[in-house]
Parts: sequence; C-alpha cells; structure tokens
Amino acid sequence: EPEVTQTPSHQVTQMGQEVILRCVPISNHLYFYWYRQILGQKVEFLVSFYNNEISEKSEIFDDQFSVERPDGSNFTLKIRSTKLEDSAMYFCASQLAGGRNEQFFGPGTRLTVL
Amino acid sequence: DAKTTQPTSMDCAEGRAANLPCNHSTISGNEYVYWYRQIHSQGPQYIIHGLKNNETNEMASLIITEDRKSSTLILPHATLRDTAVYYCIVTNYGGATNKLIFGTGTLLAVQP
Repeated sequence: EPEVTQTPSHQVTQMGQEVILRCVPISNHLYFYWYRQILGQKVEFLVSFYNNEISEKSEIFDDQFSVERPDGSNFTLKIRSTKLEDSAMYFCASQLAGGRNEQFFGPGTRLTVL
Repeated sequence: DAKTTQPTSMDCAEGRAANLPCNHSTISGNEYVYWYRQIHSQGPQYIIHGLKNNETNEMASLIITEDRKSSTLILPHATLRDTAVYYCIVTNYGGATNKLIFGTGTLLAVQP
C-alpha cells in the first residue's frame, strides 16, 4: 500500500540553524500539507500546497518557513533560523485531489531545537 | 470552520463496540464530518467521513443525526490496537485544499 514517507525521523539542531524536513508524498497525489504538533498539544495546520504554489498558510507559517517541491517527488519544509519553540513533530500529508478526499499522513519528523 | 466538541476520554472493553460522540452544532451545509485517529505520536490516520448519510467502511461506521448537529463514530469490535486519540473534524469541501483543524479529540482506551 502506498504511503507518505518522511526523513529524517528525528532532527536535532542548534537554535538559529536552518533545517530542511523532507517528505515523499504518495506518487499520484496532487495536494500537499504540513502540520506540526508540539508535545502534548494539538495538531496544527501550517501550509497547503497545490500546483507548485502555496494555497493557504496559517499564522504560524511566517517568513522563517518555506516549502518547495523541487523535483516532482519530494516536498520539503525549510525553517531558516530555528527557535526553541519550533521543537515539535512535523507531519507531512498528501491528498489525491481536492475537496473531500482524505489526507494521508506521514510518520512525522521530530525536531528538537537546543 | 465549524467547531466540534468531544469527550476528553472514554474506555471500552476489548471486543465490544466503541461509540465515540461528536457535537458539531454549528456545521454548515457544505461541510463534511471527518474522523481521524492518532495512535501514540504517529501521524494521524483517516478513518471515515460523511455529509448527511450514514457511512460504513472496513474500519468503522459513521452515524450522522438528521439535523447534522452531531455524529457518532462506531468501532464495532474494538481491539487493543484501537487505543488512540480520535478526532472529529468538520471541513468545507468547496476549496481547492482543505486544511484539517484538529481539536483535542477523545482518548479511547481499550481495556483487555
């Protein structure tokens, strides 16, 4: 069964460093998402991406964040200058088509900022 | 997006049906009800969704009241592996992308 994969599973970085979280969505999916979950808190929407551009972003997704689909298979989330409060699980999700199709989530990347 | 209200936690005996309620009294006509679950710290997993008719798939059944203000997710024969946080989410299907707004969900503990 096709699945969304994410790498790395755990990333440790120093405050102020740049990190890139990688996702490989399901191959024929067209819609992509990033969510995050701070330990013990809700899953929060960050950004949605379709047709090579951002469709929607939350207030969390400020200028420090960017997304890219560089080669037609990977979908990346970059945080330019990490802060302590960026420590969280980051989940990528993909969706076959828009509307009421379900989203398939990856296993997540645990980001720890020291 | 409409908000949902779910109990914080529920217990269920293994092998019995688990009935998880959700209140979405402000749901609008073009919003679907979705259920996802999250086992420990894994990525959320889609379970089922519906608009106004009852739905069933291999995982669960979804019962939506006639006025659509509430729904119940039914796991017919709960197993220990069904222990998870279950999220009831309403979302508009009209846009190109539909972000999911997660609440705190219901922690279902299946007891042996």
